[in-house]
Amino acid sequence: DGGITQSPKYLFRKEGQNVTLSCEQNLNHDAMYWYRQDPGQGLRLIYYSQIVNDFQKGDIAEGYSVSREKKESFPLTVTSAQKNPTAFYLCASTPQGGLKGNIQYFGAGTRLSVL
Amino acid sequence: DQQVKQNSPSLSVQEGRISILNCDYTNSMFDYFLWYKKYPAEGPTFLISISSIKDKNEDGRFTVFLNKSAKHLSLHIVPSQPGDSAVYFCAASGWSSGSARQLTFGSGTQLTVLP
Repeated sequence: DGGITQSPKYLFRKEGQNVTLSCEQNLNHDAMYWYRQDPGQGLRLIYYSQIVNDFQKGDIAEGYSVSREKKESFPLTVTSAQKNPTAFYLCASTPQGGLKGNIQYFGAGTRLSVL
Repeated sequence: DQQVKQNSPSLSVQEGRISILNCDYTNSMFDYFLWYKKYPAEGPTFLISISSIKDKNEDGRFTVFLNKSAKHLSLHIVPSQPGDSAVYFCAASGWSSGSARQLTFGSGTQLTVLP
């Protein structure tokens, strides 16, 4: 089945530790996105990538880093510089171009907590 | 500055009745609007969308209305069912400075359909 797979479902981070959240898609989508959701709030864009080896900062990129070495994969690293990392992280993808390029499809999310 | 606003954090409706969820936006450059449905600890699921050149789009029990002059859209669910209980996010799409389409999300409305 085609879809977006995020792992792990739950992740715990210790003080000063970097952690990496995985996002893989087999939809052959060009663009991929990372969002953060906090309780009672909407989704806020962290980073996005339109093509391999290229990515752009979103609204809240500080304390995060990404890479896009393969079309299928867009991992997010939450660095120790992110002082409030506890949140629900969502990865999305979309085909480029046309009206269908407006519709983003989401993975099931990773809940990150600080120990 | 919230460009997409959902002013009602929650809505309760009796089963079989109509649910109306509202969304307001401020950015005139938005040209495509979407509704997503989200269950706890899951990723949002695309529900229905509408282009700015239309004022109505219908898909089964779901209808989205767009009033461009008022910068307002609404989602009607008729008849409402208990399985519709979820958080509904409104999102607006437009071109970003990085030449990629991005979604801007509202904060969500928790719909509860009472049996």
